[in-house]
Amino acid sequence: GDSVTQMEGPVTLSEEAFLTINCTYTATGYPSLFWYVQYPGEGLQLLLKATKADDKGSNKGFEATYRKETTSFHLEKGSVQVSDSAVYFCALRTGAAGNKLTFGGGTRVLVKP
Amino acid sequence: GAVVSQHPSRVICKSGTSVKIECRSLDFQATTMFWYRQFPKQSLMLMATSNEGSKATYEQGVEKDKFLINHASLTLSTLTVTSAHPEDSSFYICSVQPGGLYNEQFFGPGTRLTVL
Repeated sequence: GDSVTQMEGPVTLSEEAFLTINCTYTATGYPSLFWYVQYPGEGLQLLLKATKADDKGSNKGFEATYRKETTSFHLEKGSVQVSDSAVYFCALRTGAAGNKLTFGGGTRVLVKP
Repeated sequence: GAVVSQHPSRVICKSGTSVKIECRSLDFQATTMFWYRQFPKQSLMLMATSNEGSKATYEQGVEKDKFLINHASLTLSTLTVTSAHPEDSSFYICSVQPGGLYNEQFFGPGTRLTVL
């Protein structure tokens, strides 16, 4: 079945540091890939997405590139802020599964001033 | 995007009682809603897909008689945990899909259930 694996947290960084959160997946068919973010006390929000190989999703300074050859969708940001402290979830959706999302375990990121 | 609310945000109940959790889509009519469960430090796991006006579709391993889902209107779905036990303690999250097969899902803030 489909699955998503992402690095365990917590990841603690200083402000303006570079952030990478690794995400790899296994899926039948050709999945769409997503990164969701959950700020404290809030629901999950879509951060970015990519629907086919080599697509790059970007939003709020975050980027992730759909790498079919390595089945990866790593999230990066060049200079984090304290406001980026949150839990980040990698997820996939395949046509075979309809509109169901399969999530990774989530990675908590803490950015210190 | 769509705004989704859940009520209550936290609930503590005694073992054997039933708990109802509401999920409301505040600014979209949602033909499809999803219910997820999240254990501490673990992934979100899809429990069921709730379709307005029809029976919910449950994922493998989810007891439909224990987790009752009602999607009676385009803005409200409810999840009732019947005869709750401590192992049902978890974080329950709903999401709505405004329409069409591949629209984005919008998530509620979640409900923390603790069964004593």
